[in-house]
Amino acid sequence: QVQLVESGGGLVNRGGSLRLSCAASGFTFSNFYMSWIRQAPGKGLEWLAYITSSGTYTNYADSVRARFTISRDNAKNSLYLQMNNLRAEDTAMYFCAREDGTHLNFRGQGTLVTVSS
Amino acid sequence: QSVLTQPHSASETPGQRVTISCSGSSSNIGSKPVTWYQHVPGAAPKVLIYNNNQRPSGVPDRFSGSKSGTSASLAISGLQSDDEADYYCGAFDDSLNGWVFGGGTKVTVL
Repeated sequence: QVQLVESGGGLVNRGGSLRLSCAASGFTFSNFYMSWIRQAPGKGLEWLAYITSSGTYTNYADSVRARFTISRDNAKNSLYLQMNNLRAEDTAMYFCAREDGTHLNFRGQGTLVTVSS
Repeated sequence: QSVLTQPHSASETPGQRVTISCSGSSSNIGSKPVTWYQHVPGAAPKVLIYNNNQRPSGVPDRFSGSKSGTSASLAISGLQSDDEADYYCGAFDDSLNGWVFGGGTKVTVL
C-alpha cells in the first residue's frame, strides 16, 4: 500500500527556516519523480517543486524559487523541502505527492506550516 | 490567480447532476492529460479522474471526465451528500515545466 507521510511543519518566525520531510513506503521510491504542493488557508492547491527519480534535476514555481530547495535520499525513501526566508504567505498545509505519469498521487494528510509575522 | 480556471462553487440537490468546467491553454490542457481531484479538508486530495476520462479503481462511475481543446469538465451524476467537497482540475504545463491547478470548485449538496 502506497504511503506518504509528511512531517516537520510548525510555527516559525518570518525570515526563519524549516525543513519538511516526506517518508515514502509501499513502492519503489527511487523509480518515481516527486513533488511538493501546498494549500494556503482559503486558497487552492499550488505546486511548488519537483525532483527527478535520481535527484539530478529539480524545478520550482516562481513563488518559491531561490528560497526553497527540494531534495531526496533514495536510500532512506525520503523526500525533503528546505524552506528559507519564510514569509507570511508561505503559511499553508504542505503535501508531498508521487508523479504517476499523467498525474500527481497524494497520500498524506500534509504538514502545517505557520509563519508568524 | 490560478493558471487553470474553474467556477468558485456549484450546487445541486441530491440525485441530480452537477458539471464543473476547467479552462486552460495550449501549454497545459491543450496538450497534456487532465486530472480531477476531490479534496476534503484534513485529508489527502484524491484522484477521481486521470488521463482526461479514466477512473482509478474504487471511484464510482457517477464521476466522469471529458476534454475538448483547452477545456475539460467533470460531471457528477446521482449527487450524494458525501460528494460535498472541493474539486480541483490539474495538468502539467510545458511552458512552466511544472504542475498547475484550478482554483477549486466547492460542491454543495442542497
